[in-house]
Amino acid sequence: EDKVVQSPLSLVVHEGDTVTLNCSYEVTNFRSLLWYKQEKKAPTFLFMLTSSGIEKKSGRLSSILDKKELFSILNITATQTGDSAVYLCAVGGGSSNTGKLIFGQGTTLQVKP
Amino acid sequence: ETGVTQTPRHLVMGMTNKKSLKCEQHLGHNAMYWYKQSAKKPLELMFVYSLEERVENNSVPSRFSPECPNSSHLFLHLHTLQPEDSALYLCASSLYRGDTEAFFGQGTRLTVV
Repeated sequence: EDKVVQSPLSLVVHEGDTVTLNCSYEVTNFRSLLWYKQEKKAPTFLFMLTSSGIEKKSGRLSSILDKKELFSILNITATQTGDSAVYLCAVGGGSSNTGKLIFGQGTTLQVKP
Repeated sequence: ETGVTQTPRHLVMGMTNKKSLKCEQHLGHNAMYWYKQSAKKPLELMFVYSLEERVENNSVPSRFSPECPNSSHLFLHLHTLQPEDSALYLCASSLYRGDTEAFFGQGTRLTVV
């Protein structure tokens, strides 16, 4: 059965800290791994990773994929209170080529002032 | 704003009611999806439509009935729901079927009483 597991499930840090969120997966016909940020309702797209070892960066956020070990990490440096959200990892793949995304449980990040 | 709009944002319905959720996108995408997000559970894919054709039904009970009249609109018709169907229902779209970079709407928070 396809699965995506995120860790930790929740995290509390102070402003200025650096955090690393983890995502491991076992998905047939892997196509891509995506990170989303969900603050209230709509998950908003952060990164899509398809190749191992190539870091993607956007401001204080960065992510990298290891297709051999089947995991990805999302780093956030110099955290701010506005980074508080649920971070979702999703893997595109599965037995049917329909754009299906298999989601992890999410990591709830709280950044305290 | 992601370009994917869902209405209503909140819905409370009785178990004998019939209601519909609506999703609209003007991104020129050809694939649309319904996801369910229950408390403390990962997002679960419900249905995939590609060019108005249903290409995946992820073992969803028949009390949920999707409809895709054109590539810009997607509905989820609800009837005789159960309290355990209370959840956040998210619509998403992607450029093509099989393209995993999906953009999500704000969701409809459904409560079944």
